[in-house]
Amino acid sequence: SYELTQPFSVSVALGQTARITCGGSDIGNKNVHWYQQKPGQAPVLVIYADDNRPSGIPERISGSNSGNTATLTISRAQAGDEADFYCQVWDSSTAVFGRGTKLTVL
Amino acid sequence: QLRLQESGPGLVKPSETLFLTCSVSGDSINTINYYWGWIRQPPGKGLEWIGSVYYSGGTYYNPSLKSRVTISVDTSKNQFSLKLTSVTAADTALYYCARDEPTVNWFDSWGQGTLVIVSS
Repeated sequence: SYELTQPFSVSVALGQTARITCGGSDIGNKNVHWYQQKPGQAPVLVIYADDNRPSGIPERISGSNSGNTATLTISRAQAGDEADFYCQVWDSSTAVFGRGTKLTVL
Repeated sequence: QLRLQESGPGLVKPSETLFLTCSVSGDSINTINYYWGWIRQPPGKGLEWIGSVYYSGGTYYNPSLKSRVTISVDTSKNQFSLKLTSVTAADTALYYCARDEPTVNWFDSWGQGTLVIVSS
């Protein structure tokens, strides 16, 4: 089965740029989606199909995908960005999630 | 505005069957444009896709759960349902329903989730 690898945690200083990676075999040839989950809340789609933002998601959140790594980038990090982030792909008729990355804003 | 709401028992005994329903408002479930899915999250852990259903009744299931899972749709009630048999403590989780985009499969709208505890 396909596996996605995410760092357990990422820290970023307030106002700086955070990058959260999602590794997978030849993931660059898949569509990668990203979800943000704040404590006690349901996940929210923040990036779909590698680099597309749903309505209402700020432009400072972006995505990229190439080779064996997809990356979620959060610019000008705010305290309100603290959350768990999950990447997700579709492989062999199965939705696969990464294990999640906890983003801490210092 | 699309809204999904999970409902069902919060406590299920080991070896019994878990039933959950997702009620959809603000959009018709009877559409070719979306699948409708179930995702769960054990306490303190990550997300696990359970499966998705199309308005026609077609389904996709997580291979790791396929032998125990049935997802069905009731277009007359604008609902879809999850049945999970032979539950164990490992099935204790927050269960979410979500709308599933069918071409590249992202989940763009989620319910608030319902906690199901498996315990005697």
